[in-house]
Amino acid sequence: GQQVMQIPQYQHVQEGEDFTTYCNSSTTLSNIQWYKQRPGGHPVFLIQLVKSGEVKKQKRLTFQFGEAKKNSSLHITATQTTDVGTYFCAAGAGSYQLTFGKGTKLSVIP
Amino acid sequence: DTAVSQTPKYLVTQMGNDKSIKCEQNLGHDTMYWYKQDSKKFLKIMFSYNNKELIINETVPNRFSPKSPDKAHLNLHINSLELGDSAVYFCASSQGHSYEQYFGPGTRLTVT
Repeated sequence: GQQVMQIPQYQHVQEGEDFTTYCNSSTTLSNIQWYKQRPGGHPVFLIQLVKSGEVKKQKRLTFQFGEAKKNSSLHITATQTTDVGTYFCAAGAGSYQLTFGKGTKLSVIP
Repeated sequence: DTAVSQTPKYLVTQMGNDKSIKCEQNLGHDTMYWYKQDSKKFLKIMFSYNNKELIINETVPNRFSPKSPDKAHLNLHINSLELGDSAVYFCASSQGHSYEQYFGPGTRLTVT
């Protein structure tokens, strides 16, 4: 089935540093979604990207969808302790399901 | 009002027992899901229902049986529980399969 690689698995940053997580697929995607899961919490939807080359911003978060619609990234500028959690990409490829990446766990050192 | 709710929040039981987890959504969505999240935090889809009909049934043991009495509810029954079933189970819903999913708070199942 559909496979989605997400890297890195873990990232430790000093507060104020930037953070990026990447999601890659071997097949062309119809859409990609990003979710955030706080420790002890449940995944919460952040954004959906549909168009080739699409870039969307939410305050300090920037989401990109690759031109070939096979990869995506989430970049956080000037991390804060409230950014702590696991970030998942979820890829849609036209089937009736999303395939979640394994997530990137972000730790922010104050 | 909670959009997607699950009960119970915690479930501790012994091997061999049968248990159920309930899920309800009040968002009017037509698609509901069950996910399993293991200790490494990997989220794996188990089942997907659209308008009360099973759409996806990933490779899960047939000890797991979902039941959807109506569009707002998707319950998960597990027979003959095993140690490896210990995980957090999340219910989720969406309006169609291509749209954002709303997750419930999760049920932490511990099998001893």
